[in-house]
This record gives sequence, structure tokens and C-alpha cells, in this order.
Amino acid sequence: DGGITQSPKYLFRKEGQNVTLSCEQNLNHDAMYWYRQDPGQGLRLIYYSQIVNDFQKGDIAEGYSVSREKKESFPLTVTSAQKNPTAFYLCASSIEFWGLTDTQYFGPGTRLTVL
Amino acid sequence: GDSVTQMEGPVTLSEEAFLTINCTYTATGYPSLFWYVQYPGEGLQLLLKATKADDKGSNKGFEATYRKETTSFHLEKGSVQVSDSAVYFCALRAGGGTSYGKLTFGQGTILTVHP
Repeated sequence: DGGITQSPKYLFRKEGQNVTLSCEQNLNHDAMYWYRQDPGQGLRLIYYSQIVNDFQKGDIAEGYSVSREKKESFPLTVTSAQKNPTAFYLCASSIEFWGLTDTQYFGPGTRLTVL
Repeated sequence: GDSVTQMEGPVTLSEEAFLTINCTYTATGYPSLFWYVQYPGEGLQLLLKATKADDKGSNKGFEATYRKETTSFHLEKGSVQVSDSAVYFCALRAGGGTSYGKLTFGQGTILTVHP
């Protein structure tokens, strides 16, 4: 079955540690995205990537880093510089054609808690 | 900048009641509009979408019509079920030739349906 997988589902981090969240898709989508969701709020864009080896900052990129070495994978690292990292993180992907993107499809999410 | 405003929740209904969740937007150009649904502990699922004015998106008994004159995309369902209990997000994707598919989300509306 085609889809987007995120791992782990739950992640606990001590203050001062970096952690990496995994996102893999087998939909052959070109574009991938990372969003952060906080209780009672909508989603906010952290980073996005339209093609391999290229990515752009979203609205709240400070304290996060990404890489896009393969089309299928877009891992997100939450660094110790992120002051309030406890949140639900969602990865998404979409087809990109003629410079426009199609509907975004989401993974199941990773809940990160800082202890 | 672009923005999406959803009616404040939570919304509590009895089974078979009529549902309306209001959504209005501010955007330049001709955005595409989406409704996503999120079940507890899961990622977002696309519910329906509309890409131009007067388009009606529909899925699983839910409907929404893209009204450019009132900048609205209200979600409706004639008869809700307990299984419809979830968080509903309205979102827009900027149109007019944007080169990436950034979604702007509303804050979400919690729907609870009682038997």
C-alpha cells in the first residue's frame, strides 16, 4: 500500500538533546513538508522540499533542521536550540507538476515530549 | 498574508443532526480550498477540496462550496454520526502561480457527536 510513514509514534527527549523524526513516503511524490501542531491550534509549516537536495524554511524553522538526500525520505531534526519542542509533528507530501503542487497527504504523526 | 478563520468550537451535536462549520478566508489571487479531518492521535486526512469559485467539494456526505463573493468555504453534513467525531481543519493553498504548496490552516473545530 502506498502511503506516508512516520516513526516513532511517540518520542521523549531530555532537554539539551537533539532528536530526529523520520518521514518516508512511497507515493513517488516530489514535494515533502513538515508541520508542527500545538493543542487548539492549526498546523504551522516548519520546512518544505520540492526536489531532492533542496529545501526551504517555512514559518517556524528556527531550532529545526532537515535533509532531503532521497526522494522518499525527509527527516526532521529537532535541535537543542528549539525552546519549546513539545508538540505533534506531521509530515506531508504532494505531487508537483508544472510548478504547482497538488493535494497534500499526511502521515500519522510523531508526538514529541521534552522531559 | 493569507489567513483562515474557522468558527469557534467545540461543537456538540446529537446523532442525525445537521452540521455546519463555518470557514472564511483572506487570500490574494485564486486559492484552492480544503477541508481536512483529524481523528484522535492520528494525522490529517483530506475530506474534500475545491479549486475554483462555485466548485462544490463532496465526500462521505460532507459538502462545501467555494464562495468567492463571501470568501467562504463552509462545511455541511445533513445527518452526522458518532463516527464523525473528530477535529476539522479548513485550509487554503495560495493560487496565482505560487511555486510551492504551502497550506494555511484554520485553528480547527472539535466536533463531538452523541448517540
